[in-house]
Amino acid sequence: EPEVTQTPSHQVTQMGQEVILRCVPISNHLYFYWYRQILGQKVEFLVSFYNNEISEKSEIFDDQFSVERPDGSNFTLKIRSTKLEDSAMYFCASSEGMTGVDEKLFFGSGTQLSVL
Amino acid sequence: QKEVEQNSGPLSVPEGAIASLNCTYSDRVSQSFFWYRQYSGKSPELIMSIYSNGDKEDGRFTAQLNKASQYVSLLIRDSQPSDSATYLCAVNRRGGGADGLTFGKGTHLIIQP
Repeated sequence: EPEVTQTPSHQVTQMGQEVILRCVPISNHLYFYWYRQILGQKVEFLVSFYNNEISEKSEIFDDQFSVERPDGSNFTLKIRSTKLEDSAMYFCASSEGMTGVDEKLFFGSGTQLSVL
Repeated sequence: QKEVEQNSGPLSVPEGAIASLNCTYSDRVSQSFFWYRQYSGKSPELIMSIYSNGDKEDGRFTAQLNKASQYVSLLIRDSQPSDSATYLCAVNRRGGGADGLTFGKGTHLIIQP
């Protein structure tokens, strides 16, 4: 089965540093998402991306966050100046069509970000 | 504020019995409802989706939706030890579009051999 690939699996950074989390969505998918999950907490939506622009973003996705699809395969999440509270598992996801219309959302295996 | 509420558990069920997982949501305009399974340290995996009131069956799984009561449930028949995981309820505000899902915190299910 095709899968969403995320790199790195673990990222350790110092507070205030910039990090870029990388994702390769499934090749024929058109909708891309970032979610995060703080340890022991719920999965939280960050942002959705379609047709090379942000479709929707949550309150969490403030000016410190940005997303980009630099080429035909990669989808990245950048955190400009990391804070301790950004420590979480970050999941990339993609879907072929619009979620909620019998379209399955495929999640990557996640990047565990630790901010020290 | 959109909220999805689940009993965090743990819910302990003997092998072979029916596990019943429940979820309520606050946003009355929610259109789409999902159940995900998440093993510890892993990513969520979709089990079922449901959009209309009533029951939807897929193998050992049955999702039930009652929009008037703002209630979604998941039944797992003939529970197996491999079903032990955290089950996440998620809702989507609209019937389509690149909307983010709102997740509940999940119910930790333990199937006792």
